[in-house]
Amino acid sequence: DTAVSQTPKYLVTQMGNDKSIKCEQNLGHDTMYWYKQDSKKFLKIMFSYNNKELIINETVPNRFSPKSPDKAHLNLHINSLELGDSAVYFCASSQDVLAGTLWGPDTQYFGPGTRLTVL
Amino acid sequence: SQQGEEDPQALSIQEGENATMNCSYKTSINNLQWYRQNSGRGLVHLILIRSNEREKHSGRLRVTLDTSKKSSSLLITASRAADTASYFCAAKTSYDKVIFGPGTSLSVIP
Repeated sequence: DTAVSQTPKYLVTQMGNDKSIKCEQNLGHDTMYWYKQDSKKFLKIMFSYNNKELIINETVPNRFSPKSPDKAHLNLHINSLELGDSAVYFCASSQDVLAGTLWGPDTQYFGPGTRLTVL
Repeated sequence: SQQGEEDPQALSIQEGENATMNCSYKTSINNLQWYRQNSGRGLVHLILIRSNEREKHSGRLRVTLDTSKKSSSLLITASRAADTASYFCAAKTSYDKVIFGPGTSLSVIP
């Protein structure tokens, strides 16, 4: 079973459209993240949720709105898409730092990514 | 500016050689992690070193951490073609923020 899954894998859309990317983790983790990786492979954190609560909200346009219906899901909705939004978006999850796991706390498990292309 | 910065940006070596990648960061950290990303895939965690540790091993990987110089290195010994990937360091700051560097692209030539 895939630990962290994202859908869709590829997303091609026109400028101005609204789109959503879904993320689910079946690891029982408390914290989930959204990252944006640009064409130069630089990975930048966008949001982090812990138990459905927003804990990190980097300087991201408010066209991006994360939604966490439960701690296993963190979806990313993007309004009024712009050319500069083209990138690969990664979802990740990690166990609560206080709990620790066999793999060690803070280890992040990444989804396969969603390649967004805005035309 | 970035917290984690790797160098070199790109590295090309022959199979069997060792590959060394470096990472520098700017503020105090709780831990530093290294991740690998194969082309078109998500990142995979390799190893975590805490701020009170100086060296850690995992198979062919060796990570060092020098908190006085705010730097870490990842050594892959006896490299294989399958090691070809991008490698990222991720520094966890004292404010519980994890910041990734821009990555080193490693090519291992068979």
